[in-house]
Amino acid sequence: DADVTQTPRNRITKTGKRIMLECSQTKGHDRMYWYRQDPGLGLRLIYYSFDVKDINKGEISDGYSVSRQAQAKFSLSLESAIPNQTALYFCATSDLAGQETQYFGPGTRLLVL
Amino acid sequence: AQSVTQPDIHITVSEGASLELRCNYSYGATPYLFWYVQSPGQGLQLLLKYFSGDTLVQGIKGFEAEFKRSQSSFNLRKPSVHWSDAAEYFCAVHTGTASKLTFGTGTRLQVTL
Repeated sequence: DADVTQTPRNRITKTGKRIMLECSQTKGHDRMYWYRQDPGLGLRLIYYSFDVKDINKGEISDGYSVSRQAQAKFSLSLESAIPNQTALYFCATSDLAGQETQYFGPGTRLLVL
Repeated sequence: AQSVTQPDIHITVSEGASLELRCNYSYGATPYLFWYVQSPGQGLQLLLKYFSGDTLVQGIKGFEAEFKRSQSSFNLRKPSVHWSDAAEYFCAVHTGTASKLTFGTGTRLQVTL
């Protein structure tokens, strides 16, 4: 079984809808991250969390919110989806003992119409 | 703030030829350096990483990278490319202070038979 899983893998939604992307990990890592990937822009950090009580904004957090329900679960919400949030979203985890090596999930491809 | 430059957006090589993908970073001290590969429709897989010590690091799938402090570079190499190496490659840096990875914009590798 994969160490970092994301659901759904693909999602089509309409402008204005609220959606949630979920991430679960079995690696036992404390740190979790959400990135979005756009062609030609690489990966950009949306939010990150160092433990259940710690949430931090990344470089492009506007229009997004997150929830760290447990050590193993970190969800990303789009409160009111807009077309320019169409992207590939990745969850990642890391462990400080591993010197910040991040392990990525398979990604969620989101299309906002 | 740290930054990463991958100057080649797209590279095409013949199967069996050698490969070098360039990565330059901007940071005052020695960062943690990573190379990830993203195969079509897949998440990011860690190829190799550099934290300290020997400046030539070996990774999976026959890849290696060399850290050159004087050039602020961390170029990825492979002596003989296989068709299955066609993918997008991302260089990333972690400075240990901002607690996040900064990614380059990626280099897409095409392999011709």
